Amino acid sequence: NAGVMQNPRHLVRRRGQEARLRCSPMKGHSHVYWYRQLPEEGLKFMVYLQKENIIDESGMPKERFSAEFPKEGPSILRIQQVVRGDSAAYFCASSPGTGNSQGGYTFGSGTRLTVV
Amino acid sequence: GDSVTQMEGPVTLSEEAFLTINCTYTATGYPSLFWYVQYPGEGLQLLLKATKADDKGSNKGFEATYRKETTSFHLEKGSVQVSDSAVYFCALSDQGAQKLVFGQGTRLTINP
Repeated sequence: NAGVMQNPRHLVRRRGQEARLRCSPMKGHSHVYWYRQLPEEGLKFMVYLQKENIIDESGMPKERFSAEFPKEGPSILRIQQVVRGDSAAYFCASSPGTGNSQGGYTFGSGTRLTVV
Repeated sequence: GDSVTQMEGPVTLSEEAFLTINCTYTATGYPSLFWYVQYPGEGLQLLLKATKADDKGSNKGFEATYRKETTSFHLEKGSVQVSDSAVYFCALSDQGAQKLVFGQGTRLTINP
């Protein structure tokens, strides 16, 4: 079991470019969560998705950020027109289904985005 | 809203010392509580959890007890090792919610 796979591990973008972060959940997991970790801070929830549906996007910035989890393929977190403040580690987690908040989540190793 | 407050770091201890990292929470319902550990350059790993009051979570010598009366979930270990050096995050998941609310993390360094 390969676990939650995120790529790339490191991503450097110039201001104004687009960043695409990918997350493949654990086998058998249908729920994906994205979190952002700013330097020296804890993780902040961004968005929760199931296949083809966004369930909770209360933590997503209103502009430039979007997420999807298509029927086939990985979940994608997309940041358009990146700014220096977007530099952070972005973590993806997955779980088998509803009612699993009691079981914790499996996290990926993260994508570290640097905007120059 | 829900929140988690952790003991500020960094914490530096000698090997075999006793460890306590304090964690208190605020939640409207009856949350599940977690400790996650993040080793350098890696993602978070679930260390232990407790789902109801008075439950004790334990793993790898670490323990934490869910105290509803004091809204706390302090992490303890009797004898730390250099390999325990990492950042530790306390988190909660409120009943019916799917997302985790994290504390700010506590960086722990163990010196030989």
